[in-house]
Amino acid sequence: KQEVTQIPAALSVPEGENLVLNCSFTDSAIYNLQWFRQDPGKGLTSLLLIQSSQREQTSGRLNASLDKSSGRSTLYIAASQPGDSATYLCAVLDQGGKLIFGQGTELSVKP
Amino acid sequence: EAQVTQNPRYLITVTGKKLTVTCSQNMNHEYMSWYRQDPGLGLRQIYYSMNVEVTDKGDVPEGYKVSRKEKRNFPLILESPSPNQTSLYFCASRRTSGGLLTDTQYFGPGTRLTVL
Repeated sequence: KQEVTQIPAALSVPEGENLVLNCSFTDSAIYNLQWFRQDPGKGLTSLLLIQSSQREQTSGRLNASLDKSSGRSTLYIAASQPGDSATYLCAVLDQGGKLIFGQGTELSVKP
Repeated sequence: EAQVTQNPRYLITVTGKKLTVTCSQNMNHEYMSWYRQDPGLGLRQIYYSMNVEVTDKGDVPEGYKVSRKEKRNFPLILESPSPNQTSLYFCASRRTSGGLLTDTQYFGPGTRLTVL
Protein backbone atom coordinates (compact mmCIF):
# COMPACT_ATOMS: atom_id res chain seq x y z
CA LYS A 1 0.00 0.00 0.00
CA GLN A 2 1.38 3.37 -1.02
CA GLU A 3 2.26 5.67 1.86
CA VAL A 4 3.40 9.26 1.54
CA THR A 5 5.36 10.97 4.29
CA GLN A 6 6.33 14.61 4.61
CA ILE A 7 9.09 15.89 6.83
CA PRO A 8 9.14 18.16 8.72
CA ALA A 9 5.55 18.49 9.89
CA ALA A 10 6.14 22.16 10.65
CA LEU A 11 8.84 24.65 9.78
CA SER A 12 9.44 28.24 10.80
CA VAL A 13 12.02 30.35 8.97
CA PRO A 14 12.95 34.05 8.74
CA GLU A 15 12.05 35.93 5.61
CA GLY A 16 14.57 35.63 2.78
CA GLU A 17 15.79 32.18 3.66
CA ASN A 18 15.93 29.37 1.10
CA LEU A 19 14.22 26.21 2.29
CA VAL A 20 13.54 22.61 1.33
CA LEU A 21 10.46 20.54 2.04
CA ASN A 22 10.70 16.78 1.80
CA CYS A 23 8.29 14.13 0.59
CA SER A 24 8.87 10.39 0.46
CA PHE A 25 6.74 7.57 -0.88
CA THR A 26 6.97 3.82 -0.43
CA ASP A 27 6.05 2.52 -3.89
CA SER A 28 7.99 3.86 -6.86
CA ALA A 29 5.28 2.75 -9.33
CA ILE A 30 3.66 6.15 -9.74
CA TYR A 31 2.34 8.17 -12.66
CA ASN A 32 3.28 11.55 -11.25
CA LEU A 33 3.80 13.61 -8.12
CA GLN A 34 2.06 16.88 -7.42
CA TRP A 35 2.82 19.62 -4.88
CA PHE A 36 -0.06 21.68 -3.51
CA ARG A 37 -0.40 24.71 -1.30
CA GLN A 38 -3.24 25.03 1.21
CA ASP A 39 -4.03 28.19 3.14
CA PRO A 40 -5.90 27.75 6.45
CA GLY A 41 -9.47 26.61 5.88
CA LYS A 42 -9.10 26.97 2.13
CA GLY A 43 -8.83 24.73 -0.88
CA LEU A 44 -5.74 23.26 -2.48
CA THR A 45 -3.82 25.11 -5.14
CA SER A 46 -1.61 23.10 -7.46
CA LEU A 47 1.98 24.36 -7.51
CA LEU A 48 3.93 21.88 -9.58
CA LEU A 49 3.30 18.55 -11.30
CA ILE A 50 6.19 16.22 -12.10
CA GLN A 51 5.51 13.28 -14.40
CA SER A 52 7.23 10.00 -13.53
CA SER A 53 9.60 10.42 -16.47
CA GLN A 54 10.74 13.88 -15.34
CA ARG A 55 13.37 14.84 -12.78
CA GLU A 56 12.26 18.36 -11.89
CA GLN A 57 9.88 21.20 -12.55
CA THR A 58 10.29 24.91 -11.89
CA SER A 59 7.83 27.75 -11.42
CA GLY A 60 9.15 31.11 -10.31
CA ARG A 61 10.85 30.71 -6.92
CA LEU A 62 9.71 27.09 -6.65
CA ASN A 63 11.61 24.05 -7.83
CA ALA A 64 10.45 20.49 -7.31
CA SER A 65 12.59 17.43 -7.92
CA LEU A 66 11.64 13.79 -8.22
CA ASP A 67 13.80 10.72 -7.65
CA LYS A 68 11.38 7.91 -8.35
CA SER A 69 13.82 5.09 -7.69
CA SER A 70 14.49 6.27 -4.14
CA GLY A 71 10.91 7.37 -3.56
CA ARG A 72 11.71 10.99 -2.82
CA SER A 73 10.72 14.46 -3.88
CA THR A 74 11.79 17.86 -2.63
CA LEU A 75 10.20 21.27 -2.96
CA TYR A 76 12.73 24.06 -2.91
CA ILE A 77 11.51 27.58 -2.13
CA ALA A 78 13.98 30.36 -2.84
CA ALA A 79 14.04 33.69 -1.00
CA SER A 80 11.03 32.88 1.16
CA GLN A 81 8.41 35.56 1.87
CA PRO A 82 5.71 35.89 4.56
CA GLY A 83 3.14 35.26 1.81
CA ASP A 84 4.60 31.77 1.38
CA SER A 85 3.23 30.82 4.81
CA ALA A 86 0.83 27.92 4.26
CA THR A 87 0.64 24.15 4.42
CA TYR A 88 2.38 22.36 1.59
CA LEU A 89 1.09 18.96 0.54
CA CYS A 90 2.63 16.44 -1.78
CA ALA A 91 0.58 13.74 -3.47
CA VAL A 92 1.46 10.82 -5.71
CA LEU A 93 -0.78 9.40 -8.40
CA ASP A 94 -0.52 5.65 -8.10
CA GLN A 95 -0.92 3.07 -10.85
CA GLY A 96 -4.58 2.64 -9.95
CA GLY A 97 -5.26 6.31 -10.67
CA LYS A 98 -5.65 7.33 -7.04
CA LEU A 99 -4.05 10.48 -5.64
CA ILE A 100 -2.46 9.72 -2.26
CA PHE A 101 -1.53 12.61 -0.02
CA GLY A 102 1.08 13.20 2.62
CA GLN A 103 0.12 14.90 5.89
CA GLY A 104 1.68 18.17 4.84
CA THR A 105 4.34 20.57 6.09
CA GLU A 106 3.09 23.71 7.80
CA LEU A 107 5.40 26.54 6.82
CA SER A 108 5.65 29.85 8.64
CA VAL A 109 7.84 32.61 7.21
CA LYS A 110 8.51 35.35 9.76
CA PRO A 111 9.02 38.97 8.60
CA GLU B 1 -12.20 31.04 -15.54
CA ALA B 2 -11.47 27.33 -15.09
CA GLN B 3 -12.75 26.27 -11.72
CA VAL B 4 -14.37 23.70 -9.44
CA THR B 5 -17.24 25.08 -7.39
CA GLN B 6 -18.87 23.62 -4.30
CA ASN B 7 -22.03 24.57 -2.45
CA PRO B 8 -22.64 25.23 0.30
CA ARG B 9 -19.30 26.41 1.64
CA TYR B 10 -20.44 26.06 5.25
CA LEU B 11 -23.18 23.88 6.67
CA ILE B 12 -24.32 23.07 10.19
CA THR B 13 -26.93 20.33 10.44
CA VAL B 14 -28.29 17.75 12.84
CA THR B 15 -27.88 14.01 12.98
CA GLY B 16 -30.06 12.15 10.50
CA LYS B 17 -31.09 15.07 8.30
CA LYS B 18 -30.27 14.24 4.69
CA LEU B 19 -28.05 16.70 2.88
CA THR B 20 -26.38 17.16 -0.50
CA VAL B 21 -23.18 19.02 -1.27
CA THR B 22 -22.99 20.02 -4.90
CA CYS B 23 -19.84 20.07 -7.03
CA SER B 24 -19.50 21.45 -10.52
CA GLN B 25 -16.54 21.91 -12.86
CA ASN B 26 -16.38 23.91 -16.09
CA MET B 27 -13.30 22.27 -17.60
CA ASN B 28 -15.00 19.29 -19.28
CA HIS B 29 -12.98 16.94 -17.08
CA GLU B 30 -13.81 13.26 -17.13
CA TYR B 31 -12.48 12.42 -13.67
CA MET B 32 -14.07 13.79 -10.50
CA SER B 33 -13.52 12.91 -6.88
CA TRP B 34 -14.55 13.72 -3.31
CA TYR B 35 -12.19 13.94 -0.32
CA ARG B 36 -12.54 14.67 3.33
CA GLN B 37 -9.82 16.32 5.36
CA ASP B 38 -9.47 15.76 9.10
CA PRO B 39 -6.73 16.87 11.51
CA GLY B 40 -4.10 14.19 11.88
CA LEU B 41 -5.62 12.05 9.12
CA GLY B 42 -4.93 14.22 6.11
CA LEU B 43 -6.95 14.00 2.91
CA ARG B 44 -8.84 10.78 2.29
CA GLN B 45 -10.76 9.87 -0.82
CA ILE B 46 -14.47 9.14 -0.41
CA TYR B 47 -15.68 8.37 -3.94
CA TYR B 48 -14.49 9.01 -7.45
CA SER B 49 -15.90 8.94 -10.95
CA MET B 50 -14.03 8.16 -14.14
CA ASN B 51 -16.84 9.47 -16.34
CA VAL B 52 -20.60 9.89 -16.60
CA GLU B 53 -22.51 7.05 -14.91
CA VAL B 54 -19.24 5.51 -13.63
CA THR B 55 -18.54 5.82 -9.90
CA ASP B 56 -16.38 3.87 -7.49
CA LYS B 57 -15.55 3.78 -3.79
CA GLY B 58 -12.49 5.42 -2.37
CA ASP B 59 -10.96 4.76 1.03
CA VAL B 60 -13.80 5.99 3.25
CA PRO B 61 -17.12 5.58 1.40
CA GLU B 62 -19.29 4.50 4.34
CA GLY B 63 -22.18 6.87 4.97
CA TYR B 64 -21.87 8.64 1.61
CA LYS B 65 -23.44 8.36 -1.82
CA VAL B 66 -22.59 10.02 -5.12
CA SER B 67 -24.03 10.22 -8.60
CA ARG B 68 -22.65 11.30 -11.96
CA LYS B 69 -25.52 11.94 -14.31
CA GLU B 70 -23.79 14.79 -16.11
CA LYS B 71 -20.15 15.32 -16.86
CA ARG B 72 -19.87 18.64 -15.03
CA ASN B 73 -21.65 17.69 -11.78
CA PHE B 74 -20.74 15.25 -9.01
CA PRO B 75 -22.91 15.73 -5.90
CA LEU B 76 -22.06 14.17 -2.55
CA ILE B 77 -25.07 12.88 -0.61
CA LEU B 78 -25.22 12.13 3.09
CA GLU B 79 -28.45 10.20 3.61
CA SER B 80 -28.27 10.17 7.41
CA PRO B 81 -25.38 12.34 8.62
CA SER B 82 -23.67 11.53 11.90
CA PRO B 83 -21.27 13.60 14.04
CA ASN B 84 -18.26 11.58 12.79
CA GLN B 85 -18.91 13.06 9.35
CA THR B 86 -18.06 16.51 10.63
CA SER B 87 -15.17 17.45 8.38
CA LEU B 88 -13.84 19.65 5.60
CA TYR B 89 -14.88 18.25 2.22
CA PHE B 90 -13.21 18.86 -1.12
CA CYS B 91 -14.33 18.09 -4.63
CA ALA B 92 -11.71 17.73 -7.35
CA SER B 93 -11.50 17.10 -11.07
CA ARG B 94 -8.91 16.11 -13.58
CA ARG B 95 -8.64 15.74 -17.36
CA THR B 96 -7.90 12.27 -18.64
CA SER B 97 -6.03 11.55 -21.84
CA GLY B 98 -6.57 8.19 -23.45
CA GLY B 99 -7.81 6.83 -20.14
CA LEU B 100 -4.72 7.96 -18.21
CA LEU B 101 -4.98 10.29 -15.24
CA THR B 102 -1.72 12.16 -15.56
CA ASP B 103 -2.86 15.77 -15.60
CA THR B 104 -3.06 18.31 -12.80
CA GLN B 105 -5.88 17.79 -10.32
CA TYR B 106 -7.97 20.86 -9.52
CA PHE B 107 -9.72 21.31 -6.21
CA GLY B 108 -12.82 23.18 -5.14
CA PRO B 109 -12.73 25.68 -2.24
CA GLY B 110 -14.06 23.19 0.30
CA THR B 111 -17.24 22.70 2.31
CA ARG B 112 -17.01 22.79 6.06
CA LEU B 113 -19.68 20.50 7.47
CA THR B 114 -20.67 20.26 11.11
CA VAL B 115 -23.11 17.55 12.20
CA LEU B 116 -24.56 18.08 15.69
